[in-house]
Amino acid sequence: AQKVTQAQTEISVVEKEDVTLDCVYETRDTTYYLFWYKQPPSGELVFLIRRNSFDEQNEISGRYSWNFQKSTSSFNFTITASQVVDSAVYFCALSEGDSGGSNYKLTFGKGTLLTVNP
Amino acid sequence: DAGVIQSPRHEVTEMGQEVTLRCKPISGHDYLFWYRQTMMRGLELLIYFNNNVPIDDSGMPEDRFSAKMPNASFSTLKIQPSEPRDSAVYFCASSDGLAGTTDTQYFGPGTRLTVL
Repeated sequence: AQKVTQAQTEISVVEKEDVTLDCVYETRDTTYYLFWYKQPPSGELVFLIRRNSFDEQNEISGRYSWNFQKSTSSFNFTITASQVVDSAVYFCALSEGDSGGSNYKLTFGKGTLLTVNP
Repeated sequence: DAGVIQSPRHEVTEMGQEVTLRCKPISGHDYLFWYRQTMMRGLELLIYFNNNVPIDDSGMPEDRFSAKMPNASFSTLKIQPSEPRDSAVYFCASSDGLAGTTDTQYFGPGTRLTVL
C-alpha cells in the first residue's frame, strides 16, 4: 500500500526566510508519480508540480524548488525568500504505476501548515 | 479555459435531508474524481470515473453515497440521507489521463457541506 508522510504539521517563519517542507513516501512500485499541491486560506487546491519516479532531477520554479531523492524516498519542497502570500497548507501526494486502473488514485499526506509572518 | 466548476460552494442542511453536489470537469478531460476533506481523515478519494464510467468506488463510505456522470461535462455526488458526520469539504477534480499515465489532477474550489 502506498503512504505519504508529512511529519511537519505546522511551520512558522518570518518573511524572507527560506523554508523546507518534508515529504517521505512509501510504495512498492518502480513507476510512480509525486505531486505537491497548495491549499491557501481560500480553500482551493492548487497544483504545483508533478514528478515521475524516473526523473530525479531537481526542479526550480522561481522561488520554489523540489528535491527528489529515491534513495531516501523523499520529495522535499523548498521556498526561498518566503512571502506572506506563501501562507497555506501544502500537500504532498503519490500515485502508483502507469498500467491503468488504480494508478490514478492520489494518496495525500496530512499536509503542512506554513505560516509566513511579516 | 475555465477550471473545474463545482456547485454549490456552500451547503447547509439538516440531518436526514438529501444533498446533491455538482461538478463540471475541464473540457476534454476523461477522468473525474470526487474527494472528501476532513480534519480527522485528510483528503480521501471517494470515487473516480473514466469516460463517464465509474472505475473505482471503493472509497465511497457507505450506501448513502452515490455518484453519477451522465455525460462528459457533468457529475453529481448525492448523499441520502445526510448525517452530521458527512460534514466536510467535497472536491471534484479532473485529468486528461493521456497515454495511460498518471496525469495531473486539477481541482475545483470545493463544496463545504454542513449537516446539522
